[in-house]
Amino acid sequence: QKEVEQNSGPLSVPEGAIASLNCTYSDRGSQSFFWYRQYSGKSPELIMSIYSNGDKEDGRFTAQLNKASQYVSLLIRDSQPSDSATYLCAVMGTDKLIFGTGTRLQVFP
Amino acid sequence: EPEVTQTPSHQVTQMGQEVILRCVPISNHLYFYWYRQILGQKVEFLVSFYNNEISEKSEIFDDQFSVERPDGSNFTLKIRSTKLEDSAMYFCASNGDTPGDTQYFGPGTRLTVL
Repeated sequence: QKEVEQNSGPLSVPEGAIASLNCTYSDRGSQSFFWYRQYSGKSPELIMSIYSNGDKEDGRFTAQLNKASQYVSLLIRDSQPSDSATYLCAVMGTDKLIFGTGTRLQVFP
Repeated sequence: EPEVTQTPSHQVTQMGQEVILRCVPISNHLYFYWYRQILGQKVEFLVSFYNNEISEKSEIFDDQFSVERPDGSNFTLKIRSTKLEDSAMYFCASNGDTPGDTQYFGPGTRLTVL
């Protein structure tokens, strides 16, 4: 059974700080990795995709991938209260996304 | 910006009744998916669909479930005889050229089975 593991949180950070979200996965053959943001009662919204080892930056967001350690992370710089949401790590299986349980992030003013 | 749409936003039904959830994927996308999320739980894959046939389905997707692309734009999920445990958010997603591409999600249909 292919698994994606995340700490459920909540992760509480002050406004302006860096939030660090982590994810591990079990299938060593996985090639595509995604971070989605989900507000309560809403659908997953794509933040970033990453396919190669290393860092990928997009605005305040940086995704990091280490395939040898089977580890994906998301850094959010200058965190804002509007970033408060659940962040879902997803790994592409054969023809489907496998999601973690998500990490709830709380950014307080 | 193109987006996936879903109707209805909320469906309430009695146990044993049939429901059809509707989705309009992004127009040039080729791969279509249904996921569900029971309240407080993770998003779970149900089924993927490509070239007018199911390409993969999960163990959740039993004989009570079916999918159809009745025309060039709609993609439907039918639950033949709903159970209490079918209560969940159902999300439709689509992607473009290859299965590994980013999947874009619709707003979801909240299904409540009484």
